[in-house]
This record gives sequence, structure tokens and C-alpha cells, in this order.
Amino acid sequence: GQNIDQPTEMTATEGAIVQINCTYQTSGFNGLFWYQQHAGEAPTFLSYNVLDGLEEKGRFSSFLSRSKGYSYLLLKELQMKDSASYLCAAYNTDKLIFGTGTRLQVFP
Amino acid sequence: GAVVSQHPSRVICKSGTSVKIECRSLDFQATTMFWYRQFPKKSLMLMATSNEGSKATYEQGVEKDKFLINHASLTLSTLTVTSAHPEDSSFYICSASGTGEDYGYTFGSGTRLTVV
Repeated sequence: GQNIDQPTEMTATEGAIVQINCTYQTSGFNGLFWYQQHAGEAPTFLSYNVLDGLEEKGRFSSFLSRSKGYSYLLLKELQMKDSASYLCAAYNTDKLIFGTGTRLQVFP
Repeated sequence: GAVVSQHPSRVICKSGTSVKIECRSLDFQATTMFWYRQFPKKSLMLMATSNEGSKATYEQGVEKDKFLINHASLTLSTLTVTSAHPEDSSFYICSASGTGEDYGYTFGSGTRLTVV
């Protein structure tokens, strides 16, 4: 079976740091994507992890542990515009399987 | 970078009619396109994988006769919702395999379908 879990909702304060976790169980695994999605819009690419470890890209970083079936997205120096849904997706051989998504709300 | 164009962005139709949604890769050839459905405040659910020149592969629980997918060329895939009903109202998004920093998964802008 395939199962990808994320917290449903999170809140944080402007300027703070927030970590969004994702655990996955898939029959085949080639990598882990993170996407950002604002309401009513299509997802936009944030990161892609294939190997274990941390990938840093500006204010956003993503971590992967293949042995633990675990990933997280770290957002630093939060801004109001970061309020959105964050979707993790497992790349399973030839398609993306999305998690439930985490709605992040950033408060002033 | 890779661009995927999806039309229409919004459509309202009467119950019982059919609606066609187009997904085009503008500057690259997409041998594979994916169709997703998203309910409010939920994540994307993969409906089917569309391969150019062959039949689409549908995910379990998706009615192939209701959601007709055609991928006649390397730049165009269409999803037709046949005999639409209010429960088909949803946000439909396509994605295509391409090139660029997103490692080949470029999403269209989505189509908001409302069946009345």
C-alpha cells in the first residue's frame, strides 16, 4: 500500500522558523518532492530530495531519511506570503503520490 | 522553463452535460501527462496517467467511462468529464513531464469545475 502523512494544519509567527514533517510508506520510492500551493492555484515546486540529508535553498530547506521514510520542510524567517498549503509527494517509479497537505497560517 | 497551459480556468455547466479540459505543454514535448483532482482543503488525488498515443492508465476507483482522457499529441492532453453531476464539482489539475529545476513535473494552472 501507499501512505503519506503530514499534519493537517500548523500556525506560526512572522519571522519564526517552522518545520513541516512528512512520513511515507510506498511500494517503490525514487525521491521526495515538496510543493507550495496557494488557495485556488496550482502547486509550485519547492524541492526534490533523492539522497539522505539536507538540501538548502534560500529560506527553505528539505531533509530526507530514506531508511526512516521521513522528510521535513524547514521554513525560516517566515513571511505572511508563506501562508499556504505545503504538499509532500513521493516519486513512485513513474508518478507522484501526494500527501494530505499541511495548511500553514502565518500570523503577524 | 517548462510551461503547461490549462484551459479553461473556470467552468460552470449544467448537470448532465459534458465538459472538456485541455492541458498543453507550450515549449516542450510531454510524452506523459497526469490528471489530478482536488477537493477543497484536501490534497491532490491522482486520477490517471496519460501517455501519448496510447490509452490512459486510471487509478483505482476512477471511472474511465466518466473521465475520458485523450493524449493525441506530444503537447496536448484532454480530460472530458461526461454527464457531469454536482459531485463532480472540483479543482482539476494536469501536470506534464518536462525539463527544468522542477525535475520534470510542471503543473497547469488548474480548472475549477462547478456543476449546477
